[in-house]
Amino acid sequence: GQNIDQPTEMTATEGAIVQINCTYQTSGFNGLFWYQQHAGEAPTFLSYNVLDGLEEKGRFSSFLSRSKGYSYLLLKELQMKDSASYLCAVRDLGGKLIFGQGTELSVKP
Amino acid sequence: ETGVTQTPRHLVMGMTNKKSLKCEQHLGHNAMYWYKQSAKKPLELMFVYSLEERVENNSVPSRFSPECPNSSHLFLHLHTLQPEDSALYLCASSQGLTSAYNEQFFGPGTRLTVL
Repeated sequence: GQNIDQPTEMTATEGAIVQINCTYQTSGFNGLFWYQQHAGEAPTFLSYNVLDGLEEKGRFSSFLSRSKGYSYLLLKELQMKDSASYLCAVRDLGGKLIFGQGTELSVKP
Repeated sequence: ETGVTQTPRHLVMGMTNKKSLKCEQHLGHNAMYWYKQSAKKPLELMFVYSLEERVENNSVPSRFSPECPNSSHLFLHLHTLQPEDSALYLCASSQGLTSAYNEQFFGPGTRLTVL
């Protein structure tokens, strides 16, 4: 079956670093995406990994290990505006995105 | 602003009503999607259209009926819904289905309440 797991909630302090983990078990794999969704808004694309390793984009980085079925999203120098839900999604061989339930991140002063 | 718009943003309807949700993308994409987002649950894919043809119907009840008249527009026609259908309905578009890095761009969603 298809299963994507990520923590439901996380809390971190402004200026700190936070790592949001995602583990997956899917019948096919054609890339992993991270999206950010603020309350009442559209999910917006953050990162894409299809090969093992780290992809860095400014304050955000994403890591993938295909053999372990594992990814993480790393957020550095946290800002209050980073408070949002972070969605991990695996794309299957047919192009369909399978989403985890999202991790609600609260950034405190 | 992601280039994908949805109307209405909020909708309240009774179980016997018929209504339609509209999605329009201004990105020149050729694939469009409908998702359902319920509280505390993962985004659920409902329908996928590629080049205006439906390529995925994810076991969605027939009270939801999609329509894709052209590559820029997608509709979701609703009739005789149930209270458990209350959710945020998100539209998305992408350039192709499986090519690398073709992330999906999401609209802001329609918040649907069924009374």
